[in-house]
Amino acid sequence: EADIYQTPRYLVIGTGKKITLECSQTMGHDKMYWYQQDPGMELHLIHYSYGVNSTEKGDLSSESTVSRIRTEHFPLTLESARPSHTSQYLCASSVSKGQGPYEQYFGPGTRLTVT
Amino acid sequence: KNQVEQSPQSLIILEGKNCTLQCNYTVSPFSNLRWYKQDTGRGPVSLTIMTFSENTKSNGRYTATLDADTKQSSLHITASQLSDSASYICVVTDRGSTLGRLYFGRGTQLTVWP
Repeated sequence: EADIYQTPRYLVIGTGKKITLECSQTMGHDKMYWYQQDPGMELHLIHYSYGVNSTEKGDLSSESTVSRIRTEHFPLTLESARPSHTSQYLCASSVSKGQGPYEQYFGPGTRLTVT
Repeated sequence: KNQVEQSPQSLIILEGKNCTLQCNYTVSPFSNLRWYKQDTGRGPVSLTIMTFSENTKSNGRYTATLDADTKQSSLHITASQLSDSASYICVVTDRGSTLGRLYFGRGTQLTVWP
C-alpha cells in the first residue's frame, strides 16, 4: 500500500471559488505528479515536479498551479473554479532508481465538482 | 504520435472464468510497459512492470506478456474473483525524456458477475 494521501476526497464547490487540493507522501520520493482523469478516459499529466522548488507543466493545459516547497507536499490550486474543471484529480510520486524502471504510486484521488 | 490503445473497452465475465485484455502501443523509444488496476473512485495500483527484455511477468493470478517487436501486450487474469471488477490500464513509458513520460490507455472496464 502506497503512503500517498489526498484531501479532500470529494469536493463540490461553486463557480469562482478558490480551491486547493492537497497531496502528501511519506516515502521521501523526489518526483511528484498531478493527473486529471475524466470518466472512461485516460489520465492526462497536468503538472510534475523533480524536487523541491521544481515545477513543470504537463501535456494537458491546465489553469491550475502547483508548488513544491517541501519534498513531501505538492498542493494544486485553482484560483477561480469553473464547471469545466469538474474532473478527478490524481496525485502520484516516484523515485528514480538508476537504470531500472521506477514505480509510480498514486493517491486515492480527489473528485471535484464545480457547480 | 505516441499512443496506447486497449481492447476491449469493457468486458463482463462470470466468477471463476479466465480473461485476456489487450494493449497495443506506438510509443517510441520504448522503455517499459506496466499494467495498473484502478478500482472505481480510487487511484491506479501497479500490477506488473516489464522492460524491453522481458516477455512475461506474473503477479498472483495476473500474468502480463509483452511482444516488443509487434508492440503488443496482454494481461491474463486466471480464475477471476468479484474483487477483480475494476478498470485495467496499460501504461507505456518512453526513454526519450528525463521524466520518463507515461502514456496511458483508456483502460478496459472488467466486471465479474457471481
